Amino acid sequence: DAGITQSPRHKVTETGTPVTLRCHQTENHRYMYWYRQDPGHGLRLIHYSYGVKDTDKGEVSDGYSVSRSKTEDFLLTLESATSSQTSVYFCAISFGAVAGTEAFFGQGTRLTVV
Amino acid sequence: SQQGEEDPQALSIQEGENATMNCSYKTSINNLQWYRQNSGRGLVHLILIRSNEREKHSGRLRVTLDTSKKSSSLLITASRAADTASYFCATDGGSNYKLTFGKGTLLTVNP
Repeated sequence: DAGITQSPRHKVTETGTPVTLRCHQTENHRYMYWYRQDPGHGLRLIHYSYGVKDTDKGEVSDGYSVSRSKTEDFLLTLESATSSQTSVYFCAISFGAVAGTEAFFGQGTRLTVV
Repeated sequence: SQQGEEDPQALSIQEGENATMNCSYKTSINNLQWYRQNSGRGLVHLILIRSNEREKHSGRLRVTLDTSKKSSSLLITASRAADTASYFCATDGGSNYKLTFGKGTLLTVNP
């Protein structure tokens, strides 16, 4: 693995509660991404970061916020979890798509909202 | 909407046969990448092809890119049961930041 760790790996939470997922890297990659994966939808980009405190929205950002206060950590927060946010969440890191380098993925976090 | 779309959604073949998967995308790109995902695991990078390249090989993998048609194909030759996985294409949409994936092709290689 490329030094990328997601925590927790599994979480069950109740509707309406806030949830924070953490992505930690030891590779000093500039770009970090959060995806969700659902059957029939593949991977959909939630938010991404191109540097410390530099983040932007992906295609399914509603209901999610992110923060990146240091290079190695990228946090994904569900402000008030809903059942539609039950999914598997993947973090990825990269030196940059245009730079022609691959993205490395974490092992995923399985989140269940009940 | 997602940038890349793979076709077919599912493919089942016998061991030893070749598997071909296609990817179509919508906007200009700098490069296109293919990834593999074993069930329940994170994605693993397979191969990258730049927009000025037409074909690239890596072991049993052959990737083609047609920027005029905004499409790419991934060929796995002499498939093995261990190739059973989902395969995704990813594009950068011309940016350095966004890396967007398609819905994937589920490949099953029967022994």
